[in-house]
Amino acid sequence: QVQLQESGPGLVKPSETLSLTCTVSGGSISSYYWSWIRQPPGKGLEYIGYINYSGSTNYNPSLKSRVTISVDTSKNQFSLKLSSVTAADTAVYYCARVGSGYSYGSYYYYYMDVWGKGTTVTVSS
Amino acid sequence: QSALTQPPSASGSPGQSVTISCTGTSSDVGGYNYVSWYQQHPGKAPKLMIYEVTKRPSGVPDRFSGSRSGYTASLTVSGLQAEDEADYYCSSYAGNNNYVVFGGGTKLTVL
Repeated sequence: QVQLQESGPGLVKPSETLSLTCTVSGGSISSYYWSWIRQPPGKGLEYIGYINYSGSTNYNPSLKSRVTISVDTSKNQFSLKLSSVTAADTAVYYCARVGSGYSYGSYYYYYMDVWGKGTTVTVSS
Repeated sequence: QSALTQPPSASGSPGQSVTISCTGTSSDVGGYNYVSWYQQHPGKAPKLMIYEVTKRPSGVPDRFSGSRSGYTASLTVSGLQAEDEADYYCSSYAGNNNYVVFGGGTKLTVL
């Protein structure tokens, strides 16, 4: 079955750019949409954004100015970049596969059915 | 502050039923049939329990059920078991900005 694995630095300095990669195994990245979700320590889940195999993206409006999600189909990977980080960006970052519903001629991408184990990123000098 | 409102805690004894609510607006929970629920045990990744308001993914026990009335979605856990003790998060498609919103989470305790 499909498995996801996050990778990247566990420590990032304030004002720098956080960069993470999610590797998809057991299936092709070209068949679905893929997302990033984060969870600050002791807090709830926050949607960051999603991407499809062709590079079409959707971002949380509150993070949109700092977020870039990209895809590399040749490596079966997708990536997250979050710029100008502060301590508030300290969190466990999850990658996840996105599921959809279809109604009135449109697809709605909204649930995450396969998750990675998550990776902790701390923003500190 | 989360976009969807959940009670911070809920509890029940083994064998009982418990219902967790998730309140939104006409732009999310009340406007679309695209509500999902996740279970998260400490230190683990979330697990999808319900999607499209009422549907269960393969492998999720039928003790878990979802419903919606107006702007409030609900997750009911019947026949509570010790392993159901976890945090539960609701989520919805949000049409005003075409993205995904989460609730703040509910800690379910099995007494």
